Amino acid sequence: GQNIDQPTEMTATEGAIVQINCTYQTSGFNGLFWYQQHAGEAPTFLSYNVLDGLEEKGRFSSFLSRSKGYSYLLLKELQMKDSASYLCAVTDSNYQLIWGAGTKLIIKP
Amino acid sequence: IAGITQAPTSQILAAGRRMTLRCTQDMRHNAMYWYRQDLGLGLRLIHYSNTAGTTGKGEVPDGYSVSRANTDDFPLTLASAVPSQTSVYFCASSDERASYNEQFFGPGTRLTVL
Repeated sequence: GQNIDQPTEMTATEGAIVQINCTYQTSGFNGLFWYQQHAGEAPTFLSYNVLDGLEEKGRFSSFLSRSKGYSYLLLKELQMKDSASYLCAVTDSNYQLIWGAGTKLIIKP
Repeated sequence: IAGITQAPTSQILAAGRRMTLRCTQDMRHNAMYWYRQDLGLGLRLIHYSNTAGTTGKGEVPDGYSVSRANTDDFPLTLASAVPSQTSVYFCASSDERASYNEQFFGPGTRLTVL
């Protein structure tokens, strides 16, 4: 079966750095997405990786290793507004998005 | 309007009743999707449509039906609601011509079936 694993919850301190990991086992691979979802709101697109390596976008970076079935989202200079759930999703061989359950990130002052 | 809208925002429904959740996008995206999101579970795809006039079944289609008469609208119907359909429902759309083909989500409908 297809599976995406992420930690359920993480806690970090304002101003610090946090890394959210995602491992996947899917039938084929056509790209990996990270979305942010604030409580009670819709998911919003953060990043996309299809080739191995690091993609940087401001305070957020996303890394992909296809051979290891592994990605991480790195958040720097954490702000209180970064408190949210972070969803990892993989596009499989049929171009369907398979979603992880999400990681709830709690930022403490 | 800009983006995707959903209606209603929330609804309490008696079991056995029929209900249609509405979704409209104005981005001229070819593909549209319906997901449900339950606590502790990832987004689960109910139905999708790659283009107007076509629909397909997702991971959890039972008890739901959709139609795609035009590009903009993608309603989801629960023919006879059951308590296990209590969930938050998100509609999304994407454009396969876009760089990443990322999905854009509506604000969601919170449905409670009693």
